[in-house]
Amino acid sequence: EAQVTQNPRYLITVTGKKLTVTCSQNMNHEYMSWYRQDPGLGLRQIYYSMNVEATDKGDVPEGYKVSRKEKRNFPLILESPSPNQTSLYFCASRGGHYYEQYFGPGTRLTVT
Amino acid sequence: RKEVEQDPGPFNVPEGATVAFNCTYSNSASQSFFWYRQDCRKEPKLLMSVYSSGNEDGRFTAQLNRASQYISLLIRDSKLSDSATYLCVVNPGAAGNKLTFGGGTRVLVKP
Repeated sequence: EAQVTQNPRYLITVTGKKLTVTCSQNMNHEYMSWYRQDPGLGLRQIYYSMNVEATDKGDVPEGYKVSRKEKRNFPLILESPSPNQTSLYFCASRGGHYYEQYFGPGTRLTVT
Repeated sequence: RKEVEQDPGPFNVPEGATVAFNCTYSNSASQSFFWYRQDCRKEPKLLMSVYSSGNEDGRFTAQLNRASQYISLLIRDSKLSDSATYLCVVNPGAAGNKLTFGGGTRVLVKP
């Protein structure tokens, strides 16, 4: 089954404790993104990657890092999480005939 | 003006009725368009891709009006399970360009 997976799905952590949210897709897509979604603000892109070793900032990259060492994986790293990074995070990949985007199931992060 | 605008709703729809809503976009060079469905606190799921003048998938019909720069989504014979937020998504240029999301239209189907 073609899918995007994320882990963990839920995470509660404390300020300053480094964390990584993993993302993996099995569709051989080149383009992958990370978004956060907050009430009233919609989906905002954090980082994206056009291919392996090619990443770039989205609209709200501050406080986040990413890497793309393999085509299928695109982890999101929060080096020193802060409470304003409490949000619902989605990983996504794009590809196929119409270059459609598919989202992972989301990671609900709470930083206290 | 926002790049992609949607009426936030909610559209309260009796079960079995037809509902339609639009999405306007500002970039006339936009290449491709999508409708996504998002349930509360879940991931957006692709409902339809909209190319040329539009397309139909079962009870759902999407249309594209390039002259007036809007796309529409029509849902016929609404089901309770159609209650969701519908996101309009626009690709403003080449295939690799960043997608632009509308704020979503909330639809509530009631018995």
